Amino acid sequence: AQSVTQLGSHVSVSEGALVLLRCNYSSSVPPYLFWYVQYPNQGLQLLLKYTTGATLVKGINGFEAEFKKSETSFHLTKPSAHMSDAAEYFCAVSDGNNDMRFGAGTRLTVKP
Amino acid sequence: GAVVSQHPSRVICKSGTSVKIECRSLDFQATTMFWYRQFPKKSLMLMATSNEGSKATYEQGVEKDKFLINHASLTLSTLTVTSAHPEDSSFYICSASPIRNTQYFGPGTRLTVL
Repeated sequence: AQSVTQLGSHVSVSEGALVLLRCNYSSSVPPYLFWYVQYPNQGLQLLLKYTTGATLVKGINGFEAEFKKSETSFHLTKPSAHMSDAAEYFCAVSDGNNDMRFGAGTRLTVKP
Repeated sequence: GAVVSQHPSRVICKSGTSVKIECRSLDFQATTMFWYRQFPKKSLMLMATSNEGSKATYEQGVEKDKFLINHASLTLSTLTVTSAHPEDSSFYICSASPIRNTQYFGPGTRLTVL
């Protein structure tokens, strides 16, 4: 069984500052890892995913995440926050068979 | 590409009535579709997994007789909330999967039961 823990239900940064959203996973098999973004009253949009290969994954909107097996982490970063990045972010893990489990989410606030 | 639609986007109904929510993959075929429920300020809870032409697999604690799922074709799945009650009010999100480990999410349906 897989599970995801997102540290920090709410993160606040200033515009232009580094964004770091933390995600740790638990999986009994090699994990597939995902980050999704959700804007109010909307569905989820895939930011990036890790399946195999390169551990540093680049996604849309300038986001990237690094898979660290030794730390069981998949933290999401962006060098410079933009006001439009304010949203809810979900980390998810899959066992490779489409069984996807989501973290509790982190709300990102960007201050002007 | 990879667009998933849900209809309706918002529905208000009276307690005791049934509500049907449609999930369509517009530009791809999805052998598997998923239904999630999201409570306010909470994560997504997987309700059930449906494969085209077969019965849905429900997660533990989800009443299959209350939440009827039909995956009639490779582009359409429906969720019917039967005899809805106020506690069923929630945001329901579907996703469609054309291949393993790839899910495209719909925009969600806000259900309010009075």
